[in-house]
Amino acid sequence: GAVVSQHPSWVICKSGTSVKIECRSLDFQATTMFWYRQFPKQSLMLMATSNEGSKATYEQGVEKDKFLINHASLTLSTLTVTSAHPEDSSFYICSAPGQGFSNEQFFGPGTRLTVL
Amino acid sequence: QKEVEQDPGPLSVPEGAIVSLNCTYSNSAFQYFMWYRQYSRKGPELLMYTYSSGNKEDGRFTAQVDKSSKYISLFIRDSQPSDSATYLCAMNYGGSQGNLIFGKGTKLSVKP
Repeated sequence: GAVVSQHPSWVICKSGTSVKIECRSLDFQATTMFWYRQFPKQSLMLMATSNEGSKATYEQGVEKDKFLINHASLTLSTLTVTSAHPEDSSFYICSAPGQGFSNEQFFGPGTRLTVL
Repeated sequence: QKEVEQDPGPLSVPEGAIVSLNCTYSNSAFQYFMWYRQYSRKGPELLMYTYSSGNKEDGRFTAQVDKSSKYISLFIRDSQPSDSATYLCAMNYGGSQGNLIFGKGTKLSVKP
């Protein structure tokens, strides 16, 4: 099946700094990628849809100036958490749609962000 | 009322037991129904999907959808310790690949 990677797998940063998370589709191209956030014991919540060559689409309540998304190529999307605060500590997961079943998404392994 | 409700558990069963995991939903516009398995600190992986009422079987797993009751289930037969994970139901309206609505997930532990 299709493979999606994320880097880093975990990161600890100080409050006020920015953190960049990369999401790559390794063996297929993805014009669209999705970014989710998962708090402990909570479900995955879609944050934004990353579109190659155009602006990302953000879900209601997600600050686009705080969570910067750049879909640089057909295999890479990045999420930058700017001016991170402890409440941004979470598990961030990206996904990309597959080529077969129209609604299947392949998920990356996730990035655990801890803001001190 | 949340769009998708799922009992978070935890659910603990002995090895070999039949496991039943369930979700209810409120929006009759949902068309595609999926079950994902998520191991600790990992991304979800798709187990099964279906888009019609009825049963779909794949090995030890059976997905069941009852659209009239807005109820979906995942059954695991002959459960194994390796099945220990969090199981998330997900659904969407179809046509929009991004808008997956997830349940909270049920944490399953299969004891040897």
